[in-house]
Amino acid sequence: DAKTTQPNSMESNEEEPVHLPCNHSTISGTDYIHWYRQLPSQGPEYVIHGLTSNVNNRMASLAIAEDRKSSTLILHRATLRDAAVYYCILQQGGSEKLVFGKGTKLTVNP
Amino acid sequence: DAGVIQSPRHEVTEMGQEVTLRCKPISGHNSLFWYRQTMMRGLELLIYFNNNVPIDDSGMPEDRFSAKMPNASFSTLKIQPSEPRDSAVYFCASSPPGQNARFYGYTFGSGTRLTVV
Repeated sequence: DAKTTQPNSMESNEEEPVHLPCNHSTISGTDYIHWYRQLPSQGPEYVIHGLTSNVNNRMASLAIAEDRKSSTLILHRATLRDAAVYYCILQQGGSEKLVFGKGTKLTVNP
Repeated sequence: DAGVIQSPRHEVTEMGQEVTLRCKPISGHNSLFWYRQTMMRGLELLIYFNNNVPIDDSGMPEDRFSAKMPNASFSTLKIQPSEPRDSAVYFCASSPPGQNARFYGYTFGSGTRLTVV
């Protein structure tokens, strides 16, 4: 399974932007980059995904490096409700599987 | 849409007993996944189905675990006999057919917290 590397934890202040990094140097051409988050005592929740181009949705933005070996999840204005573990996952082409790593625990300070 | 529905929410059982966890995927979704989460091992994919057929069960820890999907709207994960090390939160997730899964993500249920004493 393709591997990703994320910091164990990050902190942010409320209403400030947050940039969550992810390295995936072994990514192959057909791998999609997915981001999920898990709020306390809940199941994981889809955030965003992309292949090559940057992506925006109502929750976040995904910036993908030109060589695709890294990506950044951007929360434009963090709120206390964004405190969660954020997982960066590579979905291999042709496979339905999502293999979760340890993720980044985001703490949002009021 | 009620989302992915799992039952029970909590289960406490004695070692050696049989445990059955249940999952109802979102209508129209044709892939179903069972995950287990513990502090030590994080989220582990146990097995997944596509069109009710098991595709990959390489994550099933041992023969005590079995999963079935008799129809598109129901799946079970059974542990027999249960052991204390099976204590974890078990999540079920579903996703829509084919290419759509890459665009809308997986939807997870709220999980079943299993405690084996």
